[in-house]
Amino acid sequence: AQKITQTQPGMFVQEKEAVTLDCTYDTSDPSYGLFWYKQPSSGEMIFLIYQGSYDQQNATEGRYSLNFQKARKSANLVISASQLGDSAMYFCAMREGTGGAQKLVFGQGTRLTINP
Amino acid sequence: GAVVSQHPSRVICKSGTSVKIECRSLDFQATTMFWYRQFPKQSLMLMATSNEGSKATYEQGVEKDKFLINHASLTLSTLTVTSAHPEDSSFYICSARDPRTTGRYEQYFGPGTRLTVT
Repeated sequence: AQKITQTQPGMFVQEKEAVTLDCTYDTSDPSYGLFWYKQPSSGEMIFLIYQGSYDQQNATEGRYSLNFQKARKSANLVISASQLGDSAMYFCAMREGTGGAQKLVFGQGTRLTINP
Repeated sequence: GAVVSQHPSRVICKSGTSVKIECRSLDFQATTMFWYRQFPKQSLMLMATSNEGSKATYEQGVEKDKFLINHASLTLSTLTVTSAHPEDSSFYICSARDPRTTGRYEQYFGPGTRLTVT
């Protein structure tokens, strides 16, 4: 069963608009972490934002914020005032497992294109 | 932030040969390193988890005899693709965990290695 679901294969947004990338997850562990990464065409994975399952407030990092709705098991990424450089693949990921068995599980990704 | 390097960044090899990819943590000691594989327009798939000084743990469906992983030191893990075939052509990404940090600093990713088997 898919543990991380990103339902938007592609998104097209006008420059300077805000954009929301969807992510839902499935876990029975009370302790988990949720991540968003950006992957430009160069291939490098760029960490954007992190939300811990016990964090009371939604995470924010500059133009990035995470809309964490625990009961709905969703962790949507919001990018405010989009820029041309935001065009890339975006992956949602969840840390699962405990101790030395911890690993990241990735969603299928959303390709975001910012139009001028 | 912490830096993880990979070498080579690109490699082309002939079918039937072996290729070694190195992953190094440059400014921290990584007790755990991970190897991912990414096909074009697809997500990252974890291949194996590598712990220093012990055998790697492979994900289901990954051939351990074909993808040899060695984590001989706290700063170096290697992935060797043995008897490579065109279907092994892919983007291979490593990551490393800094045991001193938790939460957001889950894994630091290398820049990736693009393998093409002809």
